[in-house]
Amino acid sequence: SQQGEEDPQALSIQEGENATMNCSYKTSINNLQWYRQNSGRGLVHLILIRSNEREKHSGRLRVTLDTSKKSSSLLITASRAADTASYFCSSLDTGRRALTFGSGTRLQVQP
Amino acid sequence: DGGITQSPKYLFRKEGQNVTLSCEQNLNHDAMYWYRQDPGQGLRLIYYSQIVNDFQKGDIAEGYSVSREKKESFPLTVTSAQKNPTAFYLCASSIDRTGAVNQPQHFGDGTRLSIL
Repeated sequence: SQQGEEDPQALSIQEGENATMNCSYKTSINNLQWYRQNSGRGLVHLILIRSNEREKHSGRLRVTLDTSKKSSSLLITASRAADTASYFCSSLDTGRRALTFGSGTRLQVQP
Repeated sequence: DGGITQSPKYLFRKEGQNVTLSCEQNLNHDAMYWYRQDPGQGLRLIYYSQIVNDFQKGDIAEGYSVSREKKESFPLTVTSAQKNPTAFYLCASSIDRTGAVNQPQHFGDGTRLSIL
């Protein structure tokens, strides 16, 4: 079962623009995590936001969490061509102590 | 450097054949996971293990088997019962000690399995 679903499925922007991706989840969470996947590679952990946090920053990344709406967003500011990748949100399936992942947002940053 | 190593990077399976994908980690993590990823899709959990000599089925365990005899190793066997094995397989690990749930997962670079 998939806990999170990202929106949009695909996003194409110009270098220097901001990219915003959204994630909705179904059940209560302790935290929500965002990952990045370059084509043909494994996932890389980007940022974790706890359920009692509303916003978190890491470099050019800004993550927000709205537990009342069961949603999160990932903002990448001043995007670069190297940001081209798929981005996934994930949260814990407490029933089995394993993360579940959405289908991801495929971001294309045009140079 | 600590990390997760998956091998081989590419693997081909003949009909009726079992194949084993290797996953080794030197991060001293307790928990390990196997995911399947189909083109343009997210990750689906196959099996996971929170401790040596114990593992649990995920969402799509049918046609797969695992073992966890050592903390560092969590091999995945794709059996002949898995009729559609062509996919990208990802192994991950996390600390997952008691009281430290939801820790970030570290991923290997995957094995791409195809049918001959």
